[in-house]
Amino acid sequence: QAGLTQPPSVSKGLRQTATLTCTGNSNNVGNQGAAWLQQHQGHPPKLLSYRNNNRPSGISERFSASRSGNTASLTITGLQPEDEADYYCSAWDSSLSALVFGGGTKLTVL
Amino acid sequence: QVQLQESGPGLVKPSETLSLTCTVSGGSISSYYWSWIRQPPGKGLEWIGYIYYSGNTNYSPSLKSRVTISVDTSKNQFSLKLTSVTAADTAVYYCARGGMIVDYWGQGALVTVSS
Repeated sequence: QAGLTQPPSVSKGLRQTATLTCTGNSNNVGNQGAAWLQQHQGHPPKLLSYRNNNRPSGISERFSASRSGNTASLTITGLQPEDEADYYCSAWDSSLSALVFGGGTKLTVL
Repeated sequence: QVQLQESGPGLVKPSETLSLTCTVSGGSISSYYWSWIRQPPGKGLEWIGYIYYSGNTNYSPSLKSRVTISVDTSKNQFSLKLTSVTAADTAVYYCARGGMIVDYWGQGALVTVSS
């Protein structure tokens, strides 16, 4: 099934700001918005935001999401070592009637 | 806080059926959607399907012919069956709460398909 497009890797310095992108189409990201998940090695994913910028309880304000057209973005400010992880976006595709994921972005904090 | 735990065989032979159960604790299975999602080793996430507590289901188009998800509200459990497995089905299988938006995840169960 068609997935969302994410850059494979992003590297930023400690305390810098990283912006991760997720590109879909009008049936998924452009329609329902995207959710963002963080996954540390060996652990299950954790929901960071949904429907563009709603944060579950307990998620730091350093994580903020937005959308422009068919592209969703996750911005992480004040990067910390614990932010080094894989980040996935997901969106409901109304054409496929399926949940689609991006391939994931590995964020490295230098 | 809702917790989910996958259980089932960690090794399945090719052409056989993979069966996993997810036990939900800390909350009722009622009034929510429940999903199965898998992740092959070193790769990304793949949606398998979801079930509503009432029994309505929605499956991935690419797996639809081989997948069945069921729910047992009396046990606060839901289950996954995947038939005719091959090595390509080797993955960590996660159960999770939600359908279009998944918020709580289990720890995952590694299932290896091998003879």
